[in-house]
Amino acid sequence: QLQLQESGPGLVKPSETLSLTCTVSGGSISSSSYYWGWIRQPPGKGLEWIGSIYYSGSTYYNPSLKSRVTISVDTSKNQFSLKLSSVTAADTAVYYCARLSAGIAVAGSPYFDYWGQGTLVTVSS
Amino acid sequence: DIQMTQSPSSLSASVGDRVTITCRASQSISSYLNWYQQKPGKAPKLLIYAASSLQSGVPSRFSGSGSGTDFTLTISSLQPEDFATYYCQQSYSTPQVTFGQGTRLEIK
Repeated sequence: QLQLQESGPGLVKPSETLSLTCTVSGGSISSSSYYWGWIRQPPGKGLEWIGSIYYSGSTYYNPSLKSRVTISVDTSKNQFSLKLSSVTAADTAVYYCARLSAGIAVAGSPYFDYWGQGTLVTVSS
Repeated sequence: DIQMTQSPSSLSASVGDRVTITCRASQSISSYLNWYQQKPGKAPKLLIYAASSLQSGVPSRFSGSGSGTDFTLTISSLQPEDFATYYCQQSYSTPQVTFGQGTRLEIK
């Protein structure tokens, strides 16, 4: 069974860089049928897609966050990571990592089928 | 960017009711639309993909329809465990995706 687990600091100071890592177990991050994504959810609010990465390193970002986001992948460790720079209180959220399935079985409509449990990151001094 | 708008934002219903949630895209997305259910403190769970395909293990009381810009999620007979928040997600521009703002389904 595939599992994803987020890790990283739960508290980040304003103007600093938020860094999170997602460790994938029970399957390979290097499969051609999947992208790997970060999604966040501010307290009491909806889901916001941050960005996705392919195992080759190709990245895709939400235009509203693009200037501050970097997503990278380490296939040797079966991990992918998120960096969000110049954070403010508005970046306080639960951050999820998830697998975006894009193979034949999705009937042309890629979906997030496996998610981490989420990790709360608070931006505060 | 493709914007997704759900309606209503919140909804009160009773066990046994038939409920419909709507999702509208800012441009045509064919059938590239997925639905998720999220319960408090939990990650979202996939219910419907490609507008109308039921994910394995999801009860048949959930159904989806639509294409182009207008989509619906229907729960035919609400069960107590269905009270949650529901999100649509477009995958037309994969891997750049967009979620709707969510619909909170509450017990009347």
